[in-house]
Amino acid sequence: DAGITQSPRHKVTETGTPVTLRCHQTENHRYMYWYRQDPGHGLRLIHYSYGVKDTDKGEVSDGYSVSRSKTEDFLLTLESATSSQTSVYFCAISESGLAYRELFFGEGSRLTVL
Amino acid sequence: QQQVKQSPQSLIVQKGGISIINCAYENTAFDYFPWYQQFPGKGPALLIAIRPDVSEKKEGRFTISFNKSAKQFSLHIMDSQPGDSATYFCAAHNFNKFYFGSGTKLNVKP
Repeated sequence: DAGITQSPRHKVTETGTPVTLRCHQTENHRYMYWYRQDPGHGLRLIHYSYGVKDTDKGEVSDGYSVSRSKTEDFLLTLESATSSQTSVYFCAISESGLAYRELFFGEGSRLTVL
Repeated sequence: QQQVKQSPQSLIVQKGGISIINCAYENTAFDYFPWYQQFPGKGPALLIAIRPDVSEKKEGRFTISFNKSAKQFSLHIMDSQPGDSATYFCAAHNFNKFYFGSGTKLNVKP
């Protein structure tokens, strides 16, 4: 299994509070991604990173920010959580920028916003 | 708007039967089409993938059929087994981004 650790694995928070999810990898892979998984929508890309301090938006980036200060860590922040951000969040990593490559996923972080 | 449309949403198949999941896309810039398998409580894992210059790829009981002109691709699971019961996602890649379908929950009855 790829060395990907997501924390926390479960979190319950209240509307309006800030939340940070952490993805830590031990594979030294360049690319890191944050997806959210919701019934009927599959996996939707929030943000991704193609190197330290290099990030780009995905399909559903509104209300989310990311930071990557080290190769191994990719943080996802909800500045002011809303109920619509209740979801399961997955981090994924990939070694290269080539199209024909595998995404390795973490085990997910379940976030509930009350 | 979902960039990759997947159907059906759920599928029940008898053990030994064939499971078929379909996906369609519009963006002709997509250059790689993987399928991911996800078991409950786990992250998705790569199952099989195809490049757009190939019409079919087979790995064991799993086959991808790819129709470039129709912008459609499908996953066939032959001799489906109860252990194949999982959620399956098709995906498409363009410029560092992977776009996923909405998922198909497969239940293989013993």
